[in-house]
Amino acid sequence: DIQMTQSPSSLSASVGDRVTISCRASQGIRNDLGWYQQKPGKAPKRLIYAASSLQGGVPSRFSGSGSGTDFTLTISSLQPEDFATYYCLQYNSFPQTFGQGTMVEVK
Amino acid sequence: QVQLQESGPGLVKPSEMLSLTCTVTGGSISGYYWSWIRQPPGKGLEWIGYIYYTGNTKYNPSLESRVTILVDTSNNQFSLKLYSVTSADTAVYYCARAVDSSGYHAPDYWGQGTLVTVSS
Repeated sequence: DIQMTQSPSSLSASVGDRVTISCRASQGIRNDLGWYQQKPGKAPKRLIYAASSLQGGVPSRFSGSGSGTDFTLTISSLQPEDFATYYCLQYNSFPQTFGQGTMVEVK
Repeated sequence: QVQLQESGPGLVKPSEMLSLTCTVTGGSISGYYWSWIRQPPGKGLEWIGYIYYTGNTKYNPSLESRVTILVDTSNNQFSLKLYSVTSADTAVYYCARAVDSSGYHAPDYWGQGTLVTVSS
């Protein structure tokens, strides 16, 4: 299985901050990566697919980059509704595997 | 707007079978792949497997010996059966559309999730 390692596991930030979350694959996955946001008690919501394509309806403050083994999710200016847990997902190889999650908390 | 809704028992006894159904509304199940994904309480997400509307399946090897995913196109539903469950199978189970309309294998539409507890 491809292992997906996210860093950090959690971070504290303030409204307006620029936030960066990393995801590293144990082997190359081209750009077969998605990013998801999950709030407590809710299903994950797709933010990014194909590493850098923004899901329709998702604010442009969210962006994704990377290819191969190293990927980044950036929130350019954190908003109150962005406090949540974020997961990366690789879909290059079966089984699909998720990162362990990054919790973004209020500083 | 495609919507998915999981249904099934919230409590299953150890060694028995977990059975869930996902009903798709607002769109046809035909032409797409459909996934099951689970999340133990307080933990991360685990991909269980997916099914194409024709019935072709792909499972997580860690669960393959105990899992079956079926599709019922006439009722726009697909289902999950997990056999010989233990407490480690306690989780919120999500159904999702596995492949979007552009062919990207990152689930886009998700059900709200249903908690299944394994306990005697």
